[in-house]
Amino acid sequence: EPEVTQTPSHQVTQMGQEVILRCVPISNHLYFYWYRQILGQKVEFLVSFYNNEISEKSEIFDDQFSVERPDGSNFTLKIRSTKLEDSAMYFCASRWAPGNTGELFFGEGSRLTVL
Amino acid sequence: SQQGEEDPQALSIQEGENATMNCSYKTSINNLQWYRQNSGRGLVHLILIRSNEREKHSGRLRVTLDTSKKSSSLLITASRAADTASYFCATDGNFQGAQKLVFGQGTRLTINP
Repeated sequence: EPEVTQTPSHQVTQMGQEVILRCVPISNHLYFYWYRQILGQKVEFLVSFYNNEISEKSEIFDDQFSVERPDGSNFTLKIRSTKLEDSAMYFCASRWAPGNTGELFFGEGSRLTVL
Repeated sequence: SQQGEEDPQALSIQEGENATMNCSYKTSINNLQWYRQNSGRGLVHLILIRSNEREKHSGRLRVTLDTSKKSSSLLITASRAADTASYFCATDGNFQGAQKLVFGQGTRLTINP
């Protein structure tokens, strides 16, 4: 069964460092998402991406965040200068179509720890 | 905000009992979805109910949707220890393009053997 894969599974970084989280969505999917979940809390929307551009972003997704789909398969989330409060699980998700047909397929997440 | 809110926040029952979780939301929706998350893992889609549907079944899962009350419920019948997980409802909006799903706080379900 096709799946969304994410790397790394866990990354520890120092405050102020740049971090890139990588995702390989399901190959025929068209819509891509990043969510994050601070330990034990709700799953928060960060950004959605379609047709090689950002569709929507949340207030969390400030200038320190960026996304790219550089080669038609990978979908990356970059945090330019990490803060302590960026420590969370980051989930990539994809789906083939939005709206009524749209279940999201999630990866297993990348746990980011900022020290 | 269209955010779903689940209640209860935590539910602990004995194996074999039924578990009911509720979700309320604030704005109009195209569909409402339920997801499950095992501890430290990704979310897994369970069931989707469209705004023009009132009830849907999938195995031991039963979902209801009341759009007049902006609420949904997820019933798991004959619970098993393996059902222990967090359960989230998620609602979409009417945004064109890459519609996001907005997740609630979740219900942490514990099934005691």
